[in-house]
Amino acid sequence: SQQGEEDPQALSIQEGENATMNCSYKTSINNLQWYRQNSGRGLVHLILIRSNEREKHSGRLRVTLDTSKKSSSLLITASRAADTASYFCATVLSGADGLTFGKGTHLIIQP
Amino acid sequence: DVKVTQSSRYLVKRTGEKVFLECVQDMDHENMFWYRQDPGLGLRLIYFSYDVKMKEKGDIPEGYSVSREKKERFSLILESASTNQTSMYLCASSAYRGRGKETQYFGPGTRLLVL
Repeated sequence: SQQGEEDPQALSIQEGENATMNCSYKTSINNLQWYRQNSGRGLVHLILIRSNEREKHSGRLRVTLDTSKKSSSLLITASRAADTASYFCATVLSGADGLTFGKGTHLIIQP
Repeated sequence: DVKVTQSSRYLVKRTGEKVFLECVQDMDHENMFWYRQDPGLGLRLIYFSYDVKMKEKGDIPEGYSVSREKKERFSLILESASTNQTSMYLCASSAYRGRGKETQYFGPGTRLLVL
């Protein structure tokens, strides 16, 4: 069964705007990760946030985690055309193995 | 930089053929994974391995087997390919022994078409 679910499924914004994607999950986690996938390519790790962290930054990326709501958000600031990609959240369940991925948010940055 | 390579970017096979997908990583990672990715279904874990000659079933192992004879190489085998195995196959590796909890590094993917 799907652990993480991203929302929205698709998002189209103008270059320079901020993009926000959300991820909800069902059970307790050890950590949550965000990955990017450019069209037809493999996934690239963006950022990892642990269950005892609430916010993390990496360049133009900001990730928040609310374990009480079982949700996370990924904010990309000052978007660029090169940010056009699919974004996936992946969770590591407490006491379990491996990553469980959501179905992804497809982000399109309009020039 | 970690590099994960997959033997083919595109592959076309016939129903009933035995298919081998190869994955090699160059960072001495203990953990290796095989996923398939389908539209609307996201990534689903097929098999993973924590060490040489060790394998664990993922969420959808039926119709697949794997082999890990060397630490750097993890092979996915379709014993008798079927059309419903047409998909994008992604290999990944990660560094932590025993638990694939941390960052996974992905190969570029193999797009398999079974006719």
